[in-house]
Amino acid sequence: LAKTTQPISMDSYEGQEVNITCSHNNIATNDYITWYQQFPSQGPRFIIQGYKTKVTNEVASLFIPADRKSSTLSLPRVSLSDTAVYYCLVGPNDYKLSFGAGTTVTVRA
Amino acid sequence: SQTIHQWPATLVQPVGSPLSLECTVEGTSNPNLYWYRQAAGRGLQLLFYSVGIGQISSEVPQNLSASRPQDRQFILSSKKLLLSDSGFYLCAWRLGLTDTQYFGPGTRLTVL
Repeated sequence: LAKTTQPISMDSYEGQEVNITCSHNNIATNDYITWYQQFPSQGPRFIIQGYKTKVTNEVASLFIPADRKSSTLSLPRVSLSDTAVYYCLVGPNDYKLSFGAGTTVTVRA
Repeated sequence: SQTIHQWPATLVQPVGSPLSLECTVEGTSNPNLYWYRQAAGRGLQLLFYSVGIGQISSEVPQNLSASRPQDRQFILSSKKLLLSDSGFYLCAWRLGLTDTQYFGPGTRLTVL
């Protein structure tokens, strides 16, 4: 599985845009990039998935440069309810799917 | 639509006691099933995954075991709990290797 590196934590204020960058230098050709969000005492939930360029849905945007060695999750105009842990996963080329420590995003009023 | 159930929601057990956590998935067939554990303030640790009935792969050698007696049922067990087994246990499923993984509501286990 491709190893990922993302910041441990990020702080923001309501209404701002939050960008979380994930590094995955050894991403394989058949790997996808997937982001999950986890609130306290809940399981992670899928946010967005992409392979290259840009993907956008009602929750977030995912930007992937041409070399695919990194990706950036963009959360537009965050609110207090966006406070959560965000996980970047690269794969799968295996049945396993492992989550790292994630990025704790704290949104303040 | 698919749903995933876990029970119990919370559990307090003494050290040395047995454990059985159950996970069931509805609305799908032949899912890949997963057990994770999350210690307080930490990331998710993959414990077991299963690609079919009776097929279990262990990621962490310890006093836990898993079984899959039916296609959509996944059980996590222990004969003797340790203090370090405390945590938030999550069951998850997905279909294919590129599919989204869906998580259950979790079981909060406290070992005293």
